Amino acid sequence: AQKVTQAQTEISVVEKEDVTLDCVYETRDTTYYLFWYKQPPSGELVFLIRRNSFDEQNEISGRYSWNFQKSTSSFNFTITASQVVDSAVYFCALSGLTQGGSEKLVFGKGTKLTVNP
Amino acid sequence: DAGVTQSPTHLIKTRGQHVTLRCSPISGHKSVSWYQQVLGQGPQFIFQYYEKEERGRGNFPDRFSARQFPNYSSELNVNALLLGDSALYLCASTPGRAGRFGYTFGSGTRLTVV
Repeated sequence: AQKVTQAQTEISVVEKEDVTLDCVYETRDTTYYLFWYKQPPSGELVFLIRRNSFDEQNEISGRYSWNFQKSTSSFNFTITASQVVDSAVYFCALSGLTQGGSEKLVFGKGTKLTVNP
Repeated sequence: DAGVTQSPTHLIKTRGQHVTLRCSPISGHKSVSWYQQVLGQGPQFIFQYYEKEERGRGNFPDRFSARQFPNYSSELNVNALLLGDSALYLCASTPGRAGRFGYTFGSGTRLTVV
């Protein structure tokens, strides 16, 4: 069975601080994809990044960076110089193929990030 | 281009009633998935449809059903509503294999069962 664990339920930081959101996953699939989504109070899930299991390169996009370590089954997300607009719930998710050919996302429980001015 | 659109945005129903939620995927996307998100939890997979066929079903009772139409829009139906069905229902679309292309989510339908 696939599982995603986001151990941090809530994080509160002051603006301009760096913050790292942890994500640990479990899967028996050899090919899989990892995602991060942002969910503001409006409810829509906003796609941030997708990473496949064969690509362990870290990625940076502006103030966002992601550290994928297959050896520890982790896919952590760092926000540098956080801003109030970063306040949201962040979800890590795992996708894999089932025997039936369907594909689904398995989400963690999310980390609520609050950035205070 | 329009994103994934869902209707209605909010809905209040009484226990035992039936509800139909609707989703229009991004133009050209042939796969639609439904997720249920209970307050304080991550979304849970309900169904996936690809090319109008059910390709996957999550651990939900038979009260939940769905279908996909020739234009790739989709409906999620829930019968005999329970208080526990109160949640945000999210629809996601993708051109094909989701892992390869990623999912685009709609803003959801917030269902309250009283």
